[in-house]
Amino acid sequence: DGGITQSPKYLFRKEGQNVTLSCEQNLNHDAMYWYRQDPGQGLRLIYYSQIVNDFQKGDIAEGYSVSREKKESFPLTVTSAQKNPTAFYLCASSRERGTEAFFGQGTRLTVV
Amino acid sequence: AQSVTQLDSHVSVSEGTPVLLRCNYSSSYSPSLFWYVQHPNKGLQLLLKYTSAATLVKGINGFEAEFKKSETSFHLTKPSAHMSDAAEYFCVVRGMNSGYSTLTFGKGTMLLVSP
Repeated sequence: DGGITQSPKYLFRKEGQNVTLSCEQNLNHDAMYWYRQDPGQGLRLIYYSQIVNDFQKGDIAEGYSVSREKKESFPLTVTSAQKNPTAFYLCASSRERGTEAFFGQGTRLTVV
Repeated sequence: AQSVTQLDSHVSVSEGTPVLLRCNYSSSYSPSLFWYVQHPNKGLQLLLKYTSAATLVKGINGFEAEFKKSETSFHLTKPSAHMSDAAEYFCVVRGMNSGYSTLTFGKGTMLLVSP
């Protein structure tokens, strides 16, 4: 079954800790994206990657980091520098320019 | 850079009545436009897409949208709402950002369907 898998579904983090969200796809897509969703704000782009070993900052990259060592994987690290990390995080991938993106089921991160 | 404006944050309809969710966009290029639906605590599912072919686009679950370049609009419609249509809907434009192709989302419209 092809698709995008995000894990875990729910994540709790203590203030001051880094945490990594996993995103894996088996769709053979080149491009991958991370979005943050807050109520009433839509989806905002954190980072995106068009090819392996290359990624660009999106609109709200501060306090986040990513890597793209494999085509299938695009993990997101939420660092302690992110001031308001509690949110719903969505990973997506797409085949090429001009096509739609496919989304994972999301990870809800809560800072306690 | 491109942008998307969803004109209503909430739309309420009765079951069996028509649905209209409004979206305006701006883009320096010939855009690709999409509508996605999101049920609570779930990922986004593609409803339909416009990629410079027919201006009236049909999607899943009876939804359709019309691309109007002169009005820079891409409104989503459905003739008859079902209870299962209650969800949040996002209008999305794909465009270029510093040489890279990215997706820009509207802030979403919550569709409420009453019996």
